[in-house]
Amino acid sequence: DAGITQSPRHKVTETGTPVTLRCHQTENHRYMYWYRQDPGHGLRLIHYSYGVKDTDKGEVSDGYSVSRSKTEDFLLTLESATSSQTSVYFCAISENKGRAAYNSPLHFGNGTRLTVT
Amino acid sequence: QKEVEQNSGPLSVPEGAIASLNCTYSDRGSQSFFWYRQYSGKSPELIMSIYSNGDKEDGRFTAQLNKASQYVSLLIRDSQPSDSATYLCAVKGYKLSFGAGTTVTVRA
Repeated sequence: DAGITQSPRHKVTETGTPVTLRCHQTENHRYMYWYRQDPGHGLRLIHYSYGVKDTDKGEVSDGYSVSRSKTEDFLLTLESATSSQTSVYFCAISENKGRAAYNSPLHFGNGTRLTVT
Repeated sequence: QKEVEQNSGPLSVPEGAIASLNCTYSDRGSQSFFWYRQYSGKSPELIMSIYSNGDKEDGRFTAQLNKASQYVSLLIRDSQPSDSATYLCAVKGYKLSFGAGTTVTVRA
């Protein structure tokens, strides 16, 4: 157990509404990530963070923003949800905390299933 | 060309047989290689990491890496119904890339 909690676990929202997903970790990991998983596309990186207030874009960042004001929390916001953002969202942390984190495997939270109607 | 490609599957094997999963990657500078298992409706779970050429064994799982051929594989020996899942290959080069996964079904 990597000590990662995602909330909510399920969310149904309407097109055009803002949505925030939360990832909370208890083990002081520096690197945190947000992925989405869709059939036929596998896991795709949305945004990641390498420290408090330090974030960067992944390969599918359009329509998403993130914030990390505390080490333990990494928030993903959909400013105006669209049907194409219906997906399963996973938060992940790097296994190692120091410089070795760069090549470390990731451990995933339980996921949030988001449906945009 | 996709950065990480896996057998399209699904792969069906009888209980007790060997399941063989293959993965090729395009970034020749990749240094870290991972296999994840994902049960339906669950999150990916790390089962193997491999960093150097050759074989690495962990219980019934063996990962094989050949950097010259840009190829990594996973063998599951004595397959059990509990091994039925989707297996994801992940490769860390300049970034971490995931394959689309291969679904394995073990027939009792």
